[in-house]
Amino acid sequence: QSVLTQPPSASGTPGQRVTISCSGSSSNIGSNYVYWYQQLPGTAPKLLIYRNNQRPSGVPDRFSGSKSGTSASLAISGLRSEDEADYYCAAWDDSLSGPWVFGGGTKLTVL
Amino acid sequence: EVQLLESGGGLVQPGGSLRLSCAASGFTFSSYAMSWVRQAPGKGLEWVSAISGSGGSTYYADSVKGRFTISRDNSKNTLYLQMNSLRAEDTAVYYCAKDQALVVSPAGGMDVWGQGTTVTVSS
Repeated sequence: QSVLTQPPSASGTPGQRVTISCSGSSSNIGSNYVYWYQQLPGTAPKLLIYRNNQRPSGVPDRFSGSKSGTSASLAISGLRSEDEADYYCAAWDDSLSGPWVFGGGTKLTVL
Repeated sequence: EVQLLESGGGLVQPGGSLRLSCAASGFTFSSYAMSWVRQAPGKGLEWVSAISGSGGSTYYADSVKGRFTISRDNSKNTLYLQMNSLRAEDTAVYYCAKDQALVVSPAGGMDVWGQGTTVTVSS
């Protein structure tokens, strides 16, 4: 049972816009930054969004992040086949001795 | 180019020990906190441990506290994870990850990941 809650799956067709949600609590998302990672099949995770809505250099602006209260969302516009991957949210949690927590991950399928 | 290369994984019996290493290059290693994150087969990501850039502060997930020890040698640009009293549930790919800050803090976050090393705990 992950501290952050994500839907296990999401899907969309090429060109479509999809969003992936991440729900937490006041001790994590509600009071700290949210990070998003993309994990392509058989590869290591890659940072997609940091500090709620910042994109590292090299990440296309098709990817965007937002946060409201104790929830966050990752939006992918202009969906492409290469976006098919697992997506994870993460946040710092003030109430735990081990500070970083992840969502359970969302498998995005491009139909 | 920032690179992280893990090593030291393998097959170990329950109750055994293993030491993972992560060789870093392409950045000033001592200026950044580092973390270990694991992924059990077919499962999601689980943060395991973190250490500040100086090595003076360490953090552990409850699931590994008292069994795992994180450390670093800034003169060798290398991060370590000593794993003792291993259990079947420790079976996973272990990733090392660079933080965006010197200290382990909410404003940091893991920005670069290695390719991982596989640990299998089985008799």
